[in-house]
Amino acid sequence: EVQLVESGGGLVQPGRSLKLSCAASGFTFSNYYMAWVRQAPKKGLEWVATISTSGSRTYYPDSVKGRFTISRDNAKSSLYLQMNSLKSEDTATYYCARLGDYGGYSHYFDYWGQGVMVTVSS
Amino acid sequence: DVQMTQSPSYLAASPGESVSISCKASKSISNYLAWYQQKPGEAYKLLIYSGSTLQSGTPSRFSGSGSGTDFTLTIRSLEPEDFGLYYCQQYYEKPLTFGSGTKLEIK
Repeated sequence: EVQLVESGGGLVQPGRSLKLSCAASGFTFSNYYMAWVRQAPKKGLEWVATISTSGSRTYYPDSVKGRFTISRDNAKSSLYLQMNSLKSEDTATYYCARLGDYGGYSHYFDYWGQGVMVTVSS
Repeated sequence: DVQMTQSPSYLAASPGESVSISCKASKSISNYLAWYQQKPGEAYKLLIYSGSTLQSGTPSRFSGSGSGTDFTLTIRSLEPEDFGLYYCQQYYEKPLTFGSGTKLEIK
């Protein structure tokens, strides 16, 4: 059974940093592209970052580019999101997700974690 | 960015009825569209990708149609467990973008 379990969320002040983790199990982690997607309270979904199987390629929307860094450790079957210079608008539930396309060509998500809450407030 | 306009935002229907949710893209996205369902306390679930391909495990009462800019998710013969939130997502180009969501309530 595929499982994605996020951790590392919490309350953080504006301008500070936070690192999220996602522990994956039930599949060969190193074979899949992975991603982070977020959802602000009472808002819709927003894609945050995607990483290739080896970690050599990463993709971000402009809203987080230069502030967030996605990474992975295939030996530990873990995905990470380093978030720097946090803003109040980064307040959201952050979901770890697996890309459904084995080759990473199609960026839809076939498995999601339950999410972890990040609150940016002073 | 490709804007995804999803409608309606709210839908209430009785078991056994059929419902449709629309998703319109601001430019042609071919068939690079996915549909997701979320129920309270549960993880998001992929229902359909490539516009009309059912993900393994998705009940056959769900169907997806459309290509280009107009897409539809149809649920035939609603079951009580179909309540929840539904979102569309385009993956034709980055940034990946989602519709605003449809809340489906069962009468």
